[in-house]
This record gives sequence, structure tokens and C-alpha cells, in this order.
Amino acid sequence: EVQLLDSGGGLVQPGGSLRLSCAASGFTFNNYAMTWVRQAPGKGLEWVSSITGSGYITFYADSVKGRFTISRDNAKNTLYLQMFNLRGEDTAMYYCARGKSKEAVDWFDPWGQGTLVTVSS
Amino acid sequence: QSALTQPASVSESPGQSITISCTGTSSDVGAYNFVSWYQQHPGKAPKLMIYDVNERPSGVSYRFSGFKSGNTASLTISGLQAEDEADYYCCSYAGGSTWVFGGGTKVTVL
Repeated sequence: EVQLLDSGGGLVQPGGSLRLSCAASGFTFNNYAMTWVRQAPGKGLEWVSSITGSGYITFYADSVKGRFTISRDNAKNTLYLQMFNLRGEDTAMYYCARGKSKEAVDWFDPWGQGTLVTVSS
Repeated sequence: QSALTQPASVSESPGQSITISCTGTSSDVGAYNFVSWYQQHPGKAPKLMIYDVNERPSGVSYRFSGFKSGNTASLTISGLQAEDEADYYCCSYAGGSTWVFGGGTKVTVL
């Protein structure tokens, strides 16, 4: 069974940092691009960042560019999102999701259960 | 990257059909056939329902179908059932290796 398990969320002060993880199982991890999507409380979905299967190519939304870094460890079947200089508007549930293939995102399926990040003093 | 436009809510009785629109621009929905739809029940992670405009993943009911014309995509749910009550989001490739979601539509089964 394909599974994604998100972790690493928590309460952090404005300007602080946090690293999210997404542990994958049930499929050949390095054969798929991966993505982070977030959802602010009571709001809609927002694409955050994607990475190809090799990890060599990354993409970011303008809202997080320069502050967030997506990466992956294919030996550990794990996706990461390192978040720096966090702001209140980064408060959200963060989901990881699998893409279509090694180099193509195209859609998001399946999704992890999400991990909640709260930025507040 | 502006969000795609969806109606805030749609309501209908069981057994009826509904269509949710998703309006973008010639730079996203109108430019690419990479439109997908997601169902999200309260407190749960989203689930892929439609990809590549009108393709249904294995396991998704035939009652769900997708379509696109110009800058507007749509999701139709036929034979509405109580379990279909959820939030629905469209998503489109927006060029430059970026993706944009719609604001979401709350579907209520009366």
C-alpha cells in the first residue's frame, strides 16, 4: 500500500525555522516527483514546492521562494521541507503528495495526512 | 499566481447532478490539459478524483467526470450521494513549473 507520513510540525515563533518530513513507503520513491501543499486554517489549498525524483530540480511558489528549501533523501525514502524566517501567514497544515512520474508532477496522489505548523509568538 | 475561481458552494438533492466550474486564464487552465480535481472531507487529506482534465484514477466512481472549454474546467458529479458531501478543489499547471489551486467549493447534499 502506498503511504506518506508527514511529521515535524509544531509551534514556532515568527522568524524561526522548522523542518518537515514525509516518510514514503509502498512504492519506489526515487521514481516519483514529490510536492508540498499547504492549507491555512479554514482556507483553500496552496501549492508550495515540488522536486523531481532525482532531487536535482526544485520549484517554489513565490510566497516561499528564498525562505523554504525542498529536498529528498532517496536512500531513506524521505522528503523534507526546511522552512526559514517563518511568518504568521505560513501557519497551515502542510501535506506532502506524490506526483505522476520521476520528472513530471502533473497531479498529486496520494497525499500524506498532514502536519500542522503554527507560527505565533 | 492568482487562485482559480470556483463557486463557494453548491447544493443539490440526492440522485441529482451538479457541476462545479473552475475558471482560470489563458496562462493556466486555457493553456494546458493538466487540470486535476480533489475531494476533501472535513479533517481529512485531499483525494485525487480527476486528472488530465477528464481522466479518472482507479477506484474513483464513474459518477465523477471532468471537462474543459477554453479557460474554464468543470467537474460533474452525477447521481449525488450523501458521501459526496465535501469540499472540492480544482488545480491547474500554470507554466514556469508552478501550480495553482482554486479557492474550493463546498458541496452540500440536501
